[in-house]
Amino acid sequence: DTGVSQNPRHKITKRGQNVTFRCDPISEHNRLYWYRQTLGQGPEFLTYFQNEAQLEKSRLLSDRFSAERPKGSFSTLEIQRTEQGDSAMYLCASRPVLSGPGDTQYFGPGTRLTVL
Amino acid sequence: DAKTTQPNSMESNEEEPVHLPCNHSTISGTDYIHWYRQLPSQGPEYVIHGLTSNVNNRMASLAIAEDRKSSTLILHRATLRDAAVYYCILRDFGNEKLTFGTGTRLTIIP
Repeated sequence: DTGVSQNPRHKITKRGQNVTFRCDPISEHNRLYWYRQTLGQGPEFLTYFQNEAQLEKSRLLSDRFSAERPKGSFSTLEIQRTEQGDSAMYLCASRPVLSGPGDTQYFGPGTRLTVL
Repeated sequence: DAKTTQPNSMESNEEEPVHLPCNHSTISGTDYIHWYRQLPSQGPEYVIHGLTSNVNNRMASLAIAEDRKSSTLILHRATLRDAAVYYCILRDFGNEKLTFGTGTRLTIIP
C-alpha cells in the first residue's frame, strides 16, 4: 500500500492559463474523489468516480473544471482559464471496492495551486 | 447533510488525555459519525468512526451519546504529533461525499 499520490505537489500559474493535476489512487480502489480546500476551511467535495464513471459533481465544479478517469485507475483534474479564486489545495482520495458507509477515504497530500 | 458543531480551537498538555466534542443535534438514524484529522501540510487522515456504540482503535476512542446528538473523540495520551485540525463528519448510507466543517484546531503544549 503506497498510498494516494498526487502530482504536482505545487503549481504556480498566471491567471487565464490552463492547469492539470494528476491523482494516482491506492491500487484496486475503484472509487476516487476530488476535494478543494481553501485557507482556513475544511475540504469541499468536487466530484467522485466509480471506476471510469463520474457519478456525482458538486455545484462548485464550474464549466471551467473537468475531471476524468479514463481507465478507472488514475484521474486528472483540469482547470481552464484559471482565476485567482481557484487558488486552493486540491485533494484526491480513494476508497476500496467492497466498502460501506462507515468505511474510510484515503487522502493524498494534495496539489497546492497558486494563481497569480 | 446534517450539520456538526465543533469548538474552533482547543489546547492540551502533552501526555494528557484530550476530549474533543462534537454536536450533531440533527443527526439521522442512518448517519455514521466519522472523525478525520489533518496535520499541517497534509491531506486529511481517518481517525475513527461509529454508528451507535462507543468505538476504540489504536489511535483514539469515540464516545457517542445515547441520543446520538453529540459525540466525543478521546485521545488518551496526547503527543506533539497529535497537533492537527480534527473534523467531525456525519455521513449517511449511500452518500459518497464527506462534508467537512471548519473543525477544531488542537494545539499540544509541551
